[in-house]
Amino acid sequence: NAGVTQTPKFQVLKTGQSMTLQCAQDMNHNSMYWYRQDPGMGLRLIYYSASEGTTDKGEVPNGYNVSRLNKREFSLRLESAAPSQTSVYFCASSEKGGGVYEQYFGPGTRLTVT
Amino acid sequence: GNSVTQMEGPVTLSEEAFLTINCTYTATGYPSLFWYVQYPGEGLQLLLKATKADDKGSNKGFEATYRKETTSFHLEKGSVQVSDSAVYFCALSEKSGAGSYQLTFGKGTKLSVIP
Repeated sequence: NAGVTQTPKFQVLKTGQSMTLQCAQDMNHNSMYWYRQDPGMGLRLIYYSASEGTTDKGEVPNGYNVSRLNKREFSLRLESAAPSQTSVYFCASSEKGGGVYEQYFGPGTRLTVT
Repeated sequence: GNSVTQMEGPVTLSEEAFLTINCTYTATGYPSLFWYVQYPGEGLQLLLKATKADDKGSNKGFEATYRKETTSFHLEKGSVQVSDSAVYFCALSEKSGAGSYQLTFGKGTKLSVIP
């Protein structure tokens, strides 16, 4: 099993450009998440999808959109990138295991907006 | 809302030293508690977990006990190794209105172990 995969690993954008971050999981999990990680801020939830066909806002959704394409895939789109969106983005998925919803993380996408 | 507070780093220890990273939480219900570890350039990996009061999670020599009376989940290891150098995140999990379980993270503590 590959677990959670993310593409691309690195990306540089100019202000105003758009892009989509891709995430896929092969663990048949129902729930998927997008986080951003900034120095000294920990991880903050952008959007999540409790199950296929549903999406909900997290703590910091402004400037982002998401699509739960199917059970495996959950993409994050930046319509008009801003320097404040420079960050490392992590996708995660979860399913109940041993009575606890453990989240499994991808390797991250490092995004720089100039 | 829920929150997690963990000791600020960075923490620098010599190999074989004792490690404690403090973590306290605020939650309205009865959350599950986790420690995640992030090695340089990688994503987060679950290190250990506890689901109810007085549970002790353990893995790879690390331990943490769910203390409801002090709302704490401190991470300990008796003898650290250079390979333990990483960023450690304390987190709690609660059920969202949409039915999934969201994680609330602390800000992370960077540990450096020197030979």
